[in-house]
Amino acid sequence: DTAVSQTPKYLVTQMGNDKSIKCEQNLGHDTMYWYKQDSKKFLKIMFSYNNKELIINETVPNRFSPKSPDKAHLNLHINSLELGDSAVYFCASSQDIGQLAMYFGPGTRLLVL
Amino acid sequence: AQSVTQLGSHVSVSEGALVLLRCNYSSSVPPYLFWYVQYPNQGLQLLLKYTSAATLVKGINGFEAEFKKSETSFHLTKPSAHMSDAAEYFCAVSPTGFQKLVFGTGTRLLVSP
Repeated sequence: DTAVSQTPKYLVTQMGNDKSIKCEQNLGHDTMYWYKQDSKKFLKIMFSYNNKELIINETVPNRFSPKSPDKAHLNLHINSLELGDSAVYFCASSQDIGQLAMYFGPGTRLLVL
Repeated sequence: AQSVTQLGSHVSVSEGALVLLRCNYSSSVPPYLFWYVQYPNQGLQLLLKYTSAATLVKGINGFEAEFKKSETSFHLTKPSAHMSDAAEYFCAVSPTGFQKLVFGTGTRLLVSP
């Protein structure tokens, strides 16, 4: 049973396109996150949601819009993709906002051409 | 601002040798500290965490880390390396214990037979 799943696993697209990445967790956790890992493996938080409410927005361009339809799902929509958006995007969840033992998804490898 | 520094982007050991991965933190308040491991093409997995209880923390797969306030360090060790330990290891800090983690730049562990 996959705890945190993401789709798609790979995404190759042209500059200027709009794309979405979906994330689901079946752990019953209250808090979910999006992290971006660049080509140098550096991980940086983008967003965090607690019970469908946005808690953290780390100065991410507003071309990135997260959506949490329920506490088990946190999707990421990206408008007008740019070359610099190429990275691995990880979804993660934790039991609640005070528990940082996070469970990560397998990642979505985004390549913008 | 809170941060972690991981000394050495690559560490090479022989199978059976001691593993030592270094992490120093900067925090204005008692930190919560974590080690995560990332196997190739996978998401991150929690190895262990320090949350102001015992200073010697034992994790999964035989790893442990010791919190040393005087040295602002949280180095990760394992007495005997196994080939399956080859991966990228990330140290992370949370200043308050909730909301977000700040990750180090990672250390790639290479294990040779």
